[in-house]
Amino acid sequence: EIVLTQSPATLSLSPGERATLSCRASQSVSSFLAWYQQKPGQAPRLLIYDASNRATGIPARFSGSGSGTDFTLTISSLEPEDFAVYYCQQRSNWPMYTFGQGTKLEIK
Amino acid sequence: EVQLVESGGGLVQPGGSLRLSCTASGFPFSSYEMNWVRQAPGKGLEWVSYISSTGYTIYYADSVKGRFTISRDNTKNSLYLQMNSLRAEDTAIYYCAREISMIDVWGQGTMVTVSS
Repeated sequence: EIVLTQSPATLSLSPGERATLSCRASQSVSSFLAWYQQKPGQAPRLLIYDASNRATGIPARFSGSGSGTDFTLTISSLEPEDFAVYYCQQRSNWPMYTFGQGTKLEIK
Repeated sequence: EVQLVESGGGLVQPGGSLRLSCTASGFPFSSYEMNWVRQAPGKGLEWVSYISSTGYTIYYADSVKGRFTISRDNTKNSLYLQMNSLRAEDTAIYYCAREISMIDVWGQGTMVTVSS
């Protein structure tokens, strides 16, 4: 099983600041990594797929990078609606998808 | 509008059974692969099961293999999850999720609670 480890567990920032979230895989997943955003009481929403491609309707302030085992989700300038939990997910071992444990982005 | 709506969740005793349904609209359901993903209270996401667009190819997570059965009816735009021999650790919100190379659309989820 491919294990995804996200860091930090919690990130406290203010609106307007830059957020950098990390996801590390226990073995190479090539570029088969996605990022999801989940707000309380809601389903996850796809933000980024294949490491760096924004999903339809996702603002340009969200960007993804990385390949192999190390990946980053960057939010260039935080908006109030961006405070949520973010999950990375690999599909290298399709369809045995695995998810990271999540990073909670909270308002400082 | 693309939409997935789950139903069938509820409270069930350990060892009991439950059947979840997911009704799709706004897209050609028969062309898409589908998944069930669950989330225990306050926890992260766990993939449960996959079914191909035709229903011929199916996969399960080890944690549910032999107890859960995924199926679909493309004439009814519906996805199902039959859950037997339920355990306390199966307590979670169950989401159906559409897949086209990646999971791109999720339903709002249905809560399953396994407790005596």
